[in-house]
Amino acid sequence: SQTIHQWPATLVQPVGSPLSLECTVEGTSNPNLYWYRQAAGRGLQLLFYSVGIGQISSEVPQNLSASRPQDRQFILSSKKLLLSDSGFYLCAWNEYGANYGYTFGSGTRLTVV
Amino acid sequence: EDKVVQSPLSLVVHEGDTVTLNCSYEVTNFRSLLWYKQEKKAPTFLFMLTSSGIEKKSGRLSSILDKKELFSILNITATQTGDSAIYLCAVDNYGQNFVFGPGTRLSVLP
Repeated sequence: SQTIHQWPATLVQPVGSPLSLECTVEGTSNPNLYWYRQAAGRGLQLLFYSVGIGQISSEVPQNLSASRPQDRQFILSSKKLLLSDSGFYLCAWNEYGANYGYTFGSGTRLTVV
Repeated sequence: EDKVVQSPLSLVVHEGDTVTLNCSYEVTNFRSLLWYKQEKKAPTFLFMLTSSGIEKKSGRLSSILDKKELFSILNITATQTGDSAIYLCAVDNYGQNFVFGPGTRLSVLP
């Protein structure tokens, strides 16, 4: 069966520090991968999605970047965190070409101080 | 711009009450509407609706879609404290991703 792993679960980082959040999927190949950020009262905002290794699409210009170095690995990064980067980050996947909903990772609560 | 609106944004009820959560949408192309339940962390899938008028049911939860009026409702009967969560509505617009609404925060008091 397929599983998705996301870590860390919580993170407190100072302003200006780098960020790396990792997401991996098991039990499938060539998944669509997504990074979302969730802000209170604003639902889920798509940050990046990827349909294959090295293929990244950005939805919102910001202080973050994403990479997909392997088929089932998706990384969210920042070189210098801002206070406004605080939030709840969710990784998700679905099968390539599928029209059904995502399976989400457990999320990372990032607090930038 | 495609958008999904949910109401109410917040709701407090007592155990045993029945609640109705609303989701309306404006999208260029509609393929499906999905409901998720989010407790503390990852949203979990509840229903996917593609056709009007066909009720999907799972235990005390049910949902129906009206493609003419562009909305869906999620009903929860005989609510329990374990139903306390954020309920997210999302629409597949044939794009690469789903458009999410802001969610309804439901609190069920004992």
